[in-house]
Amino acid sequence: AQTVTQSQPEMSVQEAETVTLSCTYDTSESNYYLFWYKQPPSRQMILVIRQEAYKQQNATENRFSVNFQKAAKSFSLKISDSQLGDTAMYFCAFMNGQAAGNKLTFGGGTRVLVKP
Amino acid sequence: GAGVSQSPSNKVTEKGKDVELRCDPISGHTALYWYRQSLGQGLEFLIYFQGNSAPDKSGLPSDRFSAERTGGSVSTLTIQRTQQEDSAVYLCASSEKGQGVITGELFFGEGSRLTVL
Repeated sequence: AQTVTQSQPEMSVQEAETVTLSCTYDTSESNYYLFWYKQPPSRQMILVIRQEAYKQQNATENRFSVNFQKAAKSFSLKISDSQLGDTAMYFCAFMNGQAAGNKLTFGGGTRVLVKP
Repeated sequence: GAGVSQSPSNKVTEKGKDVELRCDPISGHTALYWYRQSLGQGLEFLIYFQGNSAPDKSGLPSDRFSAERTGGSVSTLTIQRTQQEDSAVYLCASSEKGQGVITGELFFGEGSRLTVL
């Protein structure tokens, strides 16, 4: 079974600065997908960024970028130029690529607080 | 609708009562998922539907939990004889499943917060 670990329960960052969230995972699969989801206080989970394991290039979405280290099974998220609206819980998630429509396995989450 | 809709938003019940939670997925999404999120915790997978069938129900914690999906659309999660440890936010998500292509993105509802007294 796959496991996803987020070792930082909470992080704070000053507005406009950069914060990096760590995520490690354990799998024996070679084909899989990794995701970062954001959950603001409204509770609705929103996809931030995704990475296909077969792609070597790190994914970027505006101020969000990942550092995908496949051999180390590490998938960190960098938030640049942090904004107050980035305050939320962030969850790292894994999906097995072998079975279409398979479930997401989530990490325990990291709470990010952006301070003005 | 435009997004995944869940009802009720909040439910308070007494221990031992049955509850039903409803999820209306995005129109056309064939995959539907239920997750449970306890206070301050991550998301725990409960069950996955593809159409009306449930190929993966491995996360249901006990036989008090059941779910069904009719017409390939609305899903109902039922918890019988509720216990205090069932208190959590129950999140529903849907996903568009292409022809053998994993899109990967799950669209979530805002959840149903269940409190068992």
